[in-house]
Amino acid sequence: AQSVTQLDSQVPVFEEAPVELRCNYSSSVSVYLFWYVQYPNQGLQLLLKYLSGSTLVKGINGFEAEFNKSQTSFHLRKPSVHISDTAEYFCAVSATGFVGGTSYGKLTFGQGTILTVHP
Amino acid sequence: DGGITQSPKYLFRKEGQNVTLSCEQNLNHDAMYWYRQDPGQGLRLIYYSQIVNDFQKGDIAEGYSVSREKKESFPLTVTSAQKNPTAFYLCASKRTPYLSGNTIYFGEGSWLTVV
Repeated sequence: AQSVTQLDSQVPVFEEAPVELRCNYSSSVSVYLFWYVQYPNQGLQLLLKYLSGSTLVKGINGFEAEFNKSQTSFHLRKPSVHISDTAEYFCAVSATGFVGGTSYGKLTFGQGTILTVHP
Repeated sequence: DGGITQSPKYLFRKEGQNVTLSCEQNLNHDAMYWYRQDPGQGLRLIYYSQIVNDFQKGDIAEGYSVSREKKESFPLTVTSAQKNPTAFYLCASKRTPYLSGNTIYFGEGSWLTVV
């Protein structure tokens, strides 16, 4: 089984400042890692995902994340935030590989981090 | 445009009533999912379906039921047995359930409130 911990429930930041949203995971098997963003009253949109290869992953809207296997972390960063980045961000994990039988490649989510960008 | 459509956006339920949330996708995805979202708890999986006419319980299936009679449709019924149904419900889909690196796509969500 996998679990995800997002270390900050709320992160306030000023516009044009850098931001880091922290995510740690726990798993007994190799995992894929995802970051989703949710704007108020909307569904979730994929920001980026790590499957394999380079541990630095670039996503949409200028976000990037770094996979650190030794620290079991997948922190999300942006060098300069905008007001429009105000949203809730979710880190998620799933076990790797082909999932057969009754398995379904379950996506396990963290509790979410609310990013608020102030002018 | 391809996507996932959930309806209604807002729904009010009286105590003891069953209500059904609609989810339709035109992405030709095999797998569909229902998640429940409560503040500070992230998303929790209610039910999922890997293929038409098949579905499985997720982590919090009690008080909910689903059907998958068509590939594009996966309605969720919140029954009177669900003790605390007030929440934001998200439907999602994935091209194939068997590759866990595939992206899951989400609908816009439905708010259910018990009055």
